[in-house]
Amino acid sequence: GEDVEQSLFLSVREGDSSVINCTYTDSSSTYLYWYKQEPGAGLQLLTYIFSNMDMKQDQRLTVLLNKKDKHLSLRIADTQTGDSAIYFCAEGNAGKSTFGDGTTLTVKP
Amino acid sequence: NAGVTQTPKFQVLKTGQSMTLQCAQDMNHNSMYWYRQDPGMGLRLIYYSASEGTTDKGEVPNGYNVSRLNKREFSLRLESAAPSQTSVYFCASSAGTGHRFWVPGTEAFFGQGTRLTVV
Repeated sequence: GEDVEQSLFLSVREGDSSVINCTYTDSSSTYLYWYKQEPGAGLQLLTYIFSNMDMKQDQRLTVLLNKKDKHLSLRIADTQTGDSAIYFCAEGNAGKSTFGDGTTLTVKP
Repeated sequence: NAGVTQTPKFQVLKTGQSMTLQCAQDMNHNSMYWYRQDPGMGLRLIYYSASEGTTDKGEVPNGYNVSRLNKREFSLRLESAAPSQTSVYFCASSAGTGHRFWVPGTEAFFGQGTRLTVV
């Protein structure tokens, strides 16, 4: 079946870049995207990329997609303490979305 | 505040007990969903409802029932709780009628989660 995998934890220092990695198995995925869950809150859409794109940049966020290896990454430039959260990788097509376990990002001052 | 509200936030049940998790959204969304989150398994869809009066099974529906009481509310019921149902449960809603959660405008809005322990 379809599967989305991510590392569970990442710790960085404030001001550094964070890179959160994700792999997926469903080759029919049309969209890959990221949700963010801040402490005590529900998940919220952060950004997404269409499967025929290699990269998408949105302010401090850069999403890279390697479709051949089914690898997705989210880079956060100049990471701030407010970026501390759980980041969920997900894949989707017309009828289904699949979420990973989430990566807990801790930003140290 | 507008959004998705789940109750309770925490619950401990004994094996065999029943309970209902409540979910309500005030965004006039068409679709509502129940997920469970377990380490190493990602978020797995239990049931979803594309509109009032309709419900469909997701990936892991066994042991659960749902009820779309009206457009706002979507409840999840455990009739006879089992330790395997220990999990964090998330309710979500979307303005769309499917699972196009990457599209701004039809993204999923999630509640804060309910941490359920069955002993």
